[in-house]
Amino acid sequence: AQSVTQLDSQVPVFEEAPVELRCNYSSSVSVYLFWYVQYPNQGLQLLLKYLSGSTLVKGINGFEAEFNKSQTSFHLRKPSVHISDTAEYFCATAYNQGGKLIFGQGTELSVKP
Amino acid sequence: GAVVSQHPSWVICKSGTSVKIECRSLDFQATTMFWYRQFPKQSLMLMATSNEGSKATYEQGVEKDKFLINHASLTLSTLTVTSAHPEDSSFYICSARDREKRGVVDEQFFGPGTRLTVL
Repeated sequence: AQSVTQLDSQVPVFEEAPVELRCNYSSSVSVYLFWYVQYPNQGLQLLLKYLSGSTLVKGINGFEAEFNKSQTSFHLRKPSVHISDTAEYFCATAYNQGGKLIFGQGTELSVKP
Repeated sequence: GAVVSQHPSWVICKSGTSVKIECRSLDFQATTMFWYRQFPKQSLMLMATSNEGSKATYEQGVEKDKFLINHASLTLSTLTVTSAHPEDSSFYICSARDREKRGVVDEQFFGPGTRLTVL
């Protein structure tokens, strides 16, 4: 069965510092991976996705992620965070082409001045 | 483009009453909509997959008679929580897939969520 594991439940970081949010996946079939951001009391917004092709994926708001098949990882990175990046981040994998998403536990990113 | 709305954004009801939550795709047709439930500080758990014109497919452990889903048109799906109890209090989020992208693995467009509080 497919699954994703987010290794950190909370990540505190200072403004303008780099950040990495970790995600590992488990799948025996083709992998489709996503990162979503959720601001308080709101729905989810897609940051970026990996379907195939280049393993380095660039998304919105300056985020990027790298698909690493050998390490079964899809870590999210940003070189310099802003206060406005404070939110919950979810890694997800799609359950085949039907579009059913399986979410990780979420990582709370807290950016401090 | 690709906007999904939910109504209401929040609702408070008494125990034993039923509550209907609407999910609409505003600028695209969605043959498939998904309903998720999210407890505080937790991840999203898929409750059911709703396909236009057919019965919803529920995830294991989700009571279909308690969480009634209707997908009557290509732009509207509704979730009715019947005989609600305090343990049903949660944040309910829907998402929709664009009909034009059927068969393509792509992102789902999420609604803003509905916070249900059952007293």
